Amino acid sequence: EAQVTQNPRYLITVTGKKLTVTCSQNMNHEYMSWYRQDPGLGLRQIYYSMNVEVTDKGDVPEGYKVSRKEKRNFPLILESPSPNQTSLYFCASSLRAGVVGGELFFGEGSRLTVL
Amino acid sequence: GENVEQHPSTLSVQEGDSAVIKCTYSDSASNYFPWYKQELGKRPQLIIDIRSNVGEKKDQRIAVTLNKTAKHFSLHITETQPEDSAVYFCAASRDDKIIFGKGTRLHILP
Repeated sequence: EAQVTQNPRYLITVTGKKLTVTCSQNMNHEYMSWYRQDPGLGLRQIYYSMNVEVTDKGDVPEGYKVSRKEKRNFPLILESPSPNQTSLYFCASSLRAGVVGGELFFGEGSRLTVL
Repeated sequence: GENVEQHPSTLSVQEGDSAVIKCTYSDSASNYFPWYKQELGKRPQLIIDIRSNVGEKKDQRIAVTLNKTAKHFSLHITETQPEDSAVYFCAASRDDKIIFGKGTRLHILP
């Protein structure tokens, strides 16, 4: 089954404790990206990757890191989480970016709470 | 950079009536405009999209129109049904980035 898998789905952590949210897709997609969803603010892009070893900042990259060592994986790293990073996070992938790639396939989301 | 404005933020319509959600974008290089539906507690899913060389696209009860000159595009849902209740996001994309609007919560009233 074609899917985007995120883990963990739910996490409560404390300020400053490094964490990683994993994202994996099995569709051989080139484009992967991370979004955070906050009430009233919609979906905001954190980082995106056009292909292996190619990553770039989205609109809200501060406090986050990513890597794309393999085509299927695109982990999101919070080196020192803070309460303002409490949010619902979505990973998504598409065949390619933009009009060529078409539909974004989203993971089920990871709800992160930073105390 | 690109900015996408979406209106209204909340919309209530009587079941069977039509709903219209409007978006404007700022970057004339944007060439792909998808719409995503997010049901409560679920992930966003694509419902329809339009490319910049097309003015209108229809899929059953859903249609999208694009006015490149004015940089706005709209989602039209006809004969609304209870299962249309959800949050709808418009987006504007060029070759690398995709920017979403803030969403419209659509309520279908019985």
